[in-house]
Parts: sequence; structure tokens; C-alpha cells
Amino acid sequence: QVQLQESGPGLVKPSGTLSLTCAVSGGSISSSNWWSWVRQPPGKGLEWIGEIYHSGSTNYNPSLKSRVTISVDKSKNQFSLKLSSVTAADTAVYYCTKTMSVVVVAATADAFDIWGQGTMVTVSS
Amino acid sequence: DIQMTQSPSSLSASVGDRVTITCRASQSISSYLNWYQQKPGKAPKLLIYAASSLQSGVPSRFSGSGSGTDFTLTISSLQPEDFATYYCQQSYSGITFGQGTRLEIK
Repeated sequence: QVQLQESGPGLVKPSGTLSLTCAVSGGSISSSNWWSWVRQPPGKGLEWIGEIYHSGSTNYNPSLKSRVTISVDKSKNQFSLKLSSVTAADTAVYYCTKTMSVVVVAATADAFDIWGQGTMVTVSS
Repeated sequence: DIQMTQSPSSLSASVGDRVTITCRASQSISSYLNWYQQKPGKAPKLLIYAASSLQSGVPSRFSGSGSGTDFTLTISSLQPEDFATYYCQQSYSGITFGQGTRLEIK
């Protein structure tokens, strides 16, 4: 069973860059899955940040695209998130997820079937 | 962007009740709709995918229906462990979540 574990600094200064890593265990990051980052500000709902395939192909939330970079390191079986020019609005719990792709009416639908435990990142000076 | 709107935003119910939560998309999303359950301090858990398919290991009292723009999550007989926040999510175009429905004990 695949497991995911986020790691990275819990405190980032305003205007700095938030950097997180998600370690994949119990399976290969090179399997036929996309891998995503999702965040949740305190007391609020869920926001998808972006996703990556083991080939390096990415898709990003248009509202964050200018500040986000997601990368993959197949040798370490992990993927990473960088979010630049952070403000207090980027304070949130950040989750990494595995995407399950399902064929629906001859097309592919995506659902997040495995989640990391989440890591809280606070943006503050 | 496709907007997802859940109703109600919060709901009080009793153990044994039948509960329905609604999710409406701002445009047709076919059956590209998933439901998650989140308990305080925990990561979300996938319950239903592709509008009506039950994720492995999820109790059969959970069911989903709908297509196009209108979807429902139904819990047939509430159990104590079902009190949580529920989110819908579309993957038809990009990925967006509903704002959540908090299910509380009456």
C-alpha cells in the first residue's frame, strides 16, 4: 500500500519561497499515476495546487501557476513543491496526494485516493 | 474555472438519520465528481469517485448519484463516526473542490 509523507519547514518568511517534499513509500513514483499537492488554510476548504507525472509533465492551478513549481526525483522516489513570493494567505496545511485515474464514459476521471498526513506551513516574519 | 457549490454548508442530524448533501457544478462535468470525508486534524478520505462508485473499504451506507451539474451524496443511516466535513471535487476541467458541508450531531 502506497504511503505519502510530507516534509519541510513549518515557518516561511513573507516574500520567501515555500519548499516541501513528499516521500513515496510502498510503491514507485514511476507508476502510472499523477501526484498532486492540495492545501487547506486554517478553518477553510481545500485548494488544488498542481500535479506532476513521473515524466515531469505538470499541470497547475491557474490562480497559483505563476508562483508554483512541482518537480519529481525518481531516484529518491519523491516529488516536491516550491511556492514563491509567499504571503500570509499561503498559510495552510499542505497535503501531497496520489491520483487514481478511472475511465468514465470513454474518458478519464481523477480522484485523490491516497493522502499524506499533511504539514502545516505558516508564513510569518 | 468550474465552480462547485455545496448545500447545505452545515447540517445537524441524529444517529440513524438519512442524510443527503448536494453539490452543483457551474457547468456540466459529466460524471467527473468525487466525494471526500474529512475529520478534524486528519487528511480527507475518498468516499465516492466518478459520481457513484464506492471506494474500496467505504461502508455501503454511503452512496453517490448524479451527472451533468447536479450531484448528491447520501448516507443511509448515520453512524457516530460519520460526523465530519464532506467535500465534493470535480476533475472535468482542472480540479476544484466545493466549500464543504459540516455534518454535526443534533
